[in-house]
Amino acid sequence: NAGVTQTPKFRVLKTGQSMTLLCAQDMNHEYMYWYRQDPGMGLRLIHYSVGEGTTAKGEVPDGYNVSRLKKQNFLLGLESAAPSQTSVYFCASRDSVKEQYFGPGTRLTVT
Amino acid sequence: LAKTTQPISMDSYEGQEVNITCSHNNIATNDYITWYQQFPSQGPRFIIQGYKTKVTNEVASLFIPADRKSSTLSLPRVSLSDTAVYYCLVGDKGLTGGGNKLTFGTGTQLKVEL
Repeated sequence: NAGVTQTPKFRVLKTGQSMTLLCAQDMNHEYMYWYRQDPGMGLRLIHYSVGEGTTAKGEVPDGYNVSRLKKQNFLLGLESAAPSQTSVYFCASRDSVKEQYFGPGTRLTVT
Repeated sequence: LAKTTQPISMDSYEGQEVNITCSHNNIATNDYITWYQQFPSQGPRFIIQGYKTKVTNEVASLFIPADRKSSTLSLPRVSLSDTAVYYCLVGDKGLTGGGNKLTFGTGTQLKVEL
């Protein structure tokens, strides 16, 4: 039982490049989330999903897209990276009861 | 969305009890109060959740007064390893909204010293 895993752990992009962050969970959770965390700040919700095939916008969705084709995976895409998207990205999943389980994070730098 | 207010930082010594208070004046009837802990370079980790009165688990207690406009996380006998950022969140527990109302503030940086 690995919990929530994120791929990759680190990435450096140039402005305008695209990439996809992968989040996988093996707990059969319905809900999944993508957050970003900037230095000295709390987490801000980018997008979330309440089940396979569903996605919804969170607090800061602009510049990101997501997909939930399989229940265990939640992908976060950056179509044209900008320096403002330099951040640490956390994925989380939850069942219908209580807590969110977070992944280890992906540190992204856009130059 | 219910906004939360916490102290930016707190200092303590090993073996002491630490109480971190969170204000949430516009908490809604359906909202629960949840606390998370975050160490550097790690994702947040769930500590405790409650709706009213007192909740206790193996690591902490959560005190919620009758008006629910504030809550206090109590950490008994802290150690150096409790040095972390603690977030108070207020939101819907788990309906079809998927928890989209969960908002992380800047949290409270707890520093525990010898």
